[in-house]
Amino acid sequence: GNSVTQMEGPVTLSEEAFLTINCTYTATGYPSLFWYVQYPGEGLQLLLKATKADDKGSNKGFEATYRKETTSFHLEKGSVQVSDSAVYFCALSNSNSGYALNFGKGTSLLVTP
Amino acid sequence: DGGITQSPKYLFRKEGQNVTLSCEQNLNHDAMYWYRQDPGQGLRLIYYSQIVNDFQKGDIAEGYSVSREKKESFPLTVTSAQKNPTAFYLCASSLTVGGYTFGSGTRLTVV
Repeated sequence: GNSVTQMEGPVTLSEEAFLTINCTYTATGYPSLFWYVQYPGEGLQLLLKATKADDKGSNKGFEATYRKETTSFHLEKGSVQVSDSAVYFCALSNSNSGYALNFGKGTSLLVTP
Repeated sequence: DGGITQSPKYLFRKEGQNVTLSCEQNLNHDAMYWYRQDPGQGLRLIYYSQIVNDFQKGDIAEGYSVSREKKESFPLTVTSAQKNPTAFYLCASSLTVGGYTFGSGTRLTVV
């Protein structure tokens, strides 16, 4: 079946530091890959996505590249801000589960001034 | 504006009682999903439905039931058989592939 593994948090960084949150997956076929973000007290928001190998998703300074050879979709940002403090979820979808999103456990990020 | 409405936002029930969580969408999406969110567990899939009058079990369906009599509606019943029902429940919908929209969630507390 499908599964997503992402690095455990919490991750604490100083403002302007470089961010990497690792995400690897197990799935058959060619899943679509996603990063979602949940800010404190708010709902789930799509951050970026990639639908095929070597695609790079990007949004708000965040990037992730779909690497089929390493089954990975690591999230990166060159310079984090305090406002990036949130929980980040890696997810995939494919036809195995009716295109339902399968999520990782989430990584909490705290950025300090 | 189109979207997903989950109601109520907070729900309290006594142990042993069944409770139904509402999820309505006006996006004309074919597929709908229910997730459960617990701290440190991420979002786990309970049930999903790709078309009206059809639904499939997700990873943690035990103790839950759903129906899909209308395209717009996908209510979730938390039964007394669910051992640990206190959680945050999220509903979502999508076109068959991609374009997911999430509701704002219902926090269920069983006392």
